Amino acid sequence: GENVEQHPSTLSVQEGDSAVIKCTYSDSASNYFPWYKQELGKGPQLIIDIRSNVGEKKDQRIAVTLNKTAKHFSLHITETQPEDSAVYFCAASDNDYKLSFGAGTTVTVRA
Amino acid sequence: DAGVIQSPRHEVTEMGQEVTLRCKPISGHNSLFWYRQTMMRGLELLIYFNNNVPIDDSGMPEDRFSAKMPNASFSTLKIQPSEPRDSAVYFCASRGSYEQYFGPGTRLTVT
Repeated sequence: GENVEQHPSTLSVQEGDSAVIKCTYSDSASNYFPWYKQELGKGPQLIIDIRSNVGEKKDQRIAVTLNKTAKHFSLHITETQPEDSAVYFCAASDNDYKLSFGAGTTVTVRA
Repeated sequence: DAGVIQSPRHEVTEMGQEVTLRCKPISGHNSLFWYRQTMMRGLELLIYFNNNVPIDDSGMPEDRFSAKMPNASFSTLKIQPSEPRDSAVYFCASRGSYEQYFGPGTRLTVT
């Protein structure tokens, strides 16, 4: 099955700086890569996703890049704000339903 | 839209008791997922329904776990008998196209 590795496990950034989280996947057939944000006591919330036919996607301060050759994808958050503090999960899927999740990155934005 | 609704939000029970978790998916979504989240194992898919039919239950840990979806607006996950190692946060998610939307979760504690 698919194996997704996520780094780093924790990330502390100064407010206004950028944050980058990286994930690698094992199954070259994976074609859908969502990112989720989970705040304390809440369920994961989809923040951005990318499909294998696209190399980069941006939504305001959030961007995701995908390198299919190297089998890795990254989440970039620019101009970080305190409300960006949360746990972020990457995931990959090679079919129409099963998501394999990374272990998560705890992001702390220091004011 | 109210999003995915789960109940109860918290459940504390004694070992050996039956536990039933409930989920109401987003109206119009035809796919429903049950996940379990623990510190040790992260987010794990337990079972996936499409059009009320269980498609993939390979993640269900053992016979003590069962899930049903009697109609498009309701699903249950039952644990009988419960054990301390079942303590976790259980999430329900629903999907219309590609994106999975998670509920707020049920925090289960088995003493």
